[in-house]
Amino acid sequence: ETGVTQSPTHLIKTRGQQVTLRCSSQSGHNTVSWYQQALGQGPQFIFQYYREEENGRGNFPPRFSGLQFPNYSSELNVNALELDDSALYLCASSWPAGTSADTQYFGPGTRLTVL
Amino acid sequence: DAKTTQPPSMDCAEGRAANLPCNHSTISGNEYVYWYRQIHSQGPQYIIHGLKNNETNEMASLIITEDRKSSTLILPHATLRDTAVYYCIVRVATGNQFYFGTGTSLTVIP
Repeated sequence: ETGVTQSPTHLIKTRGQQVTLRCSSQSGHNTVSWYQQALGQGPQFIFQYYREEENGRGNFPPRFSGLQFPNYSSELNVNALELDDSALYLCASSWPAGTSADTQYFGPGTRLTVL
Repeated sequence: DAKTTQPPSMDCAEGRAANLPCNHSTISGNEYVYWYRQIHSQGPQYIIHGLKNNETNEMASLIITEDRKSSTLILPHATLRDTAVYYCIVRVATGNQFYFGTGTSLTVIP
């Protein structure tokens, strides 16, 4: 059984640029959630994807968008990067919320630095 | 969503039990208590979860009070590798997101 993987590990961008982060879910999981973790804070929920549709969203602006593919992998896209977007971005996979096995399992994260 | 309160930091001697408390006084009947830990900016690692009964697995035990307003995560024999930030989270059974607080930074001392 493979765990959640994310790429790239680290990324440096400049303000105003766009970035795409990628996540492969744990084998068998069809739901992917994305979180942003600023330094010294707990992770904050961005959104979740289930069956290629957005299935819930946290308090993040529309320039944060995502995709889920038929193989359940997912992308997080951030447009018009701001300095405050510098953070660790975490992906978690699970079965759908409300099922008996909907515990979320996290990947190692992508560290994004915006200069 | 129910909020949790945890002490910001704790120390524990290596080999002793680490008892991490969490208050969730506004928890509702259909909300689960989850515990995760995060070691030095790695992804959070699932530890255990429960609804109202005490739970035990190979990593830890979870003790939930009868009124469900608080819980304690117990690491029975703490090792140096258990040094991490521990997050207590309450989540609606049908909810699709975890609300993380700032957690408890546990330091295991040799």
